[in-house]
Amino acid sequence: EAGVAQSPRYKIIEKRQSVAFWCNPISGHATLYWYQQILGQGPKLLIQFQNNGVVDDSQLPKDRFSAERLKGVDSTLKIQPAKLEDSAVYLCASSPLRGTSGRDEQFFGPGTRLTVL
Amino acid sequence: EDKVVQSPLSLVVHEGDTVTLNCSYEVTNFRSLLWYKQEKKAPTFLFMLTSSGIEKKSGRLSSILDKKELFSILNITATQTGDSAVYLCAVEARGYYGGSQGNLIFGKGTKLSVKP
Repeated sequence: EAGVAQSPRYKIIEKRQSVAFWCNPISGHATLYWYQQILGQGPKLLIQFQNNGVVDDSQLPKDRFSAERLKGVDSTLKIQPAKLEDSAVYLCASSPLRGTSGRDEQFFGPGTRLTVL
Repeated sequence: EDKVVQSPLSLVVHEGDTVTLNCSYEVTNFRSLLWYKQEKKAPTFLFMLTSSGIEKKSGRLSSILDKKELFSILNITATQTGDSAVYLCAVEARGYYGGSQGNLIFGKGTKLSVKP
């Protein structure tokens, strides 16, 4: 079974520039998550999709962050404009609808390490 | 505010030692508690705990949940250098916004270093 794919793996930009990350979840997983993990911290949820609808974006800084999952499969997360404090690893995770498979946990992708200079 | 607190934040042991990692939580609408291992990449799933007092085991790793006292422990026996990683505890809260899956609230992790 292929895992969660993310690209790029690394990105270095200057503050005030824009950046976009891409995530392809595990086939058939209805729920997709974006997390921000700052060095030394645990991942923090930014946004949760179920199919192509947003379930929870309460912790997404909407003045600069946006995310979409138009066809209920792939997703993109954008930061525009970036700030120094956005330097972090951005993790994408996916999970099946609860009760539809033997495993309900979230599966994580390798992450995109963003450095804002 | 929901929170998950892990202790210790870091730990250095020698191969063969047994370690116990702690996770306490205060979360509204608790659904499950999960342990993940994170090396230099994505967190990988270890355990999901939903019921108190039932130990889950996988090789040298085991975990148990106490829903009355709101904590969980992760034990690793006969540690090996390959166990060196950050161990993340996360609590799943029931979805407030209508999704079938809750969201995960993570602790800061315990960084375990196993020396040969």
